[in-house]
Order: sequence, then structure tokens, then C-alpha cells
Amino acid sequence: SYVLTQPPSVSLAPGQTASITCGGKNIGSESVHWYQQKPGQAPVLVIHYATDRPSGIPERFSGSNSGDTATLTISRVEAGDEADYYCQVWDSSSDHYVFGPGTKVTVL
Amino acid sequence: EEQLVESGGGLVQPGRSLRLSCAASGFTFYDYAMHWVRQAPGKGLDWVSSIDWNSDNTAYADSVKGRFTISRDNAKNSLYLQMNSLRAEDTAFYYCAKDSGSLLGTSLNSWGHGTLVTVSS
Repeated sequence: SYVLTQPPSVSLAPGQTASITCGGKNIGSESVHWYQQKPGQAPVLVIHYATDRPSGIPERFSGSNSGDTATLTISRVEAGDEADYYCQVWDSSSDHYVFGPGTKVTVL
Repeated sequence: EEQLVESGGGLVQPGRSLRLSCAASGFTFYDYAMHWVRQAPGKGLDWVSSIDWNSDNTAYADSVKGRFTISRDNAKNSLYLQMNSLRAEDTAFYYCAKDSGSLLGTSLNSWGHGTLVTVSS
């Protein structure tokens, strides 16, 4: 089955740019979605179809997808962006939804 | 405002059954595929099962196939998960989630707050 990889953690200072990667074989040809989950809360969709922001998501959140890597970028990081971030794809070969292991973003 | 409210979680012994429910409101339920996603305490998201808008197509994670059954009642705006032969490794928060579309294969754009299932003797 399709496997996604993510770095376990990313730490940065307020105002910096966070780049969270999601690796998968030829993921550039897949529809990738990203979710933010703050402690004790349900996940929230922040990027779908690799680059599109749902309504209500700040413009600071953006995405890209090419080759074997999809990337979620958070510009001008704020303390409120501290959360776990998960990528997700639909594996049509197995009819399974697949989540990445998650990346914990810490704002120092 | 879209709202998903899960219920039915609790403490259950290994090998027993439990049925989760999800009550939906604030959107046209029958227009969307629906999902169950779980999260063991301190762990990542783990997809469990999905069903399309008219129940024609369902999908299950390998870890639950043959033990869990997803269903929906569009007249009652409700999603269900029948869980049989429960194991300790099924212990998790179970989230109900709404799809962005009517068929399987897209994104999950609205989530409930989850219900905790604990499998222990």
C-alpha cells in the first residue's frame, strides 16, 4: 500500500517560514490534502488538492506538489500555528485513504 | 454551521461489540461521502472506513476489514460504525468526518470532536 513520510518535528521562531514535507512515490501525480490538529482538538483541513485553501484558512498557508514530495508552507509563523500537521492522499490502487505520520510544529 | 456529533463510545471488553453514531447537521447530508478516522492517544491519524453518498461504495482499512461495518441513514442524517470483535489495539478516539464531495477519494473538510473507545478487560 501507499506510504507517506513526514519529518517528526519542525521548530522555528515566530515570523519565520515553516516548510513541512510529505514524501511518497510519484506523489506529484496525486491529490494531496493537509490537516492541522491542535492539542485536544479535531483536525482541520488547511490545504486541499495540494495548493487550494478552504475558506477561512489564512493566506499564510500554501502548498505545492511535485515529483516525490508535497510541501505545506506556513509563512510568518505565529504561536497559534503550533500543531500537528498531517498529509493525506487517496490510494486508488487499494481504495484506501492514507495519512502521513504527522509533523509537530513548535514555535519557539 | 456544519456540525458532526459522535456518540456511542465507552469501555468495552476485548471480543465484544460497540456501535458508534454520528449525527450531522448544517449541511445536506445525502450529498456527501462520510468517513470514520481514529487516533490512539498520543498517536497519529488512522483512517478506518468510508462510505459514499448513497452507500453504493464502502472502503475499509485492512486492520478493521471483516470486523467493522460502516453504514448511513440519509433520512436521519446519521452515520454509523458497527465494531465487532474489538481488540485492545482498537482503543482510540473515533472521529466522524465529512467529505468534500459525494464519492470516495477526496478530502475530509469537516470533523466531529470524536468519541473515545477503550477496549480493555
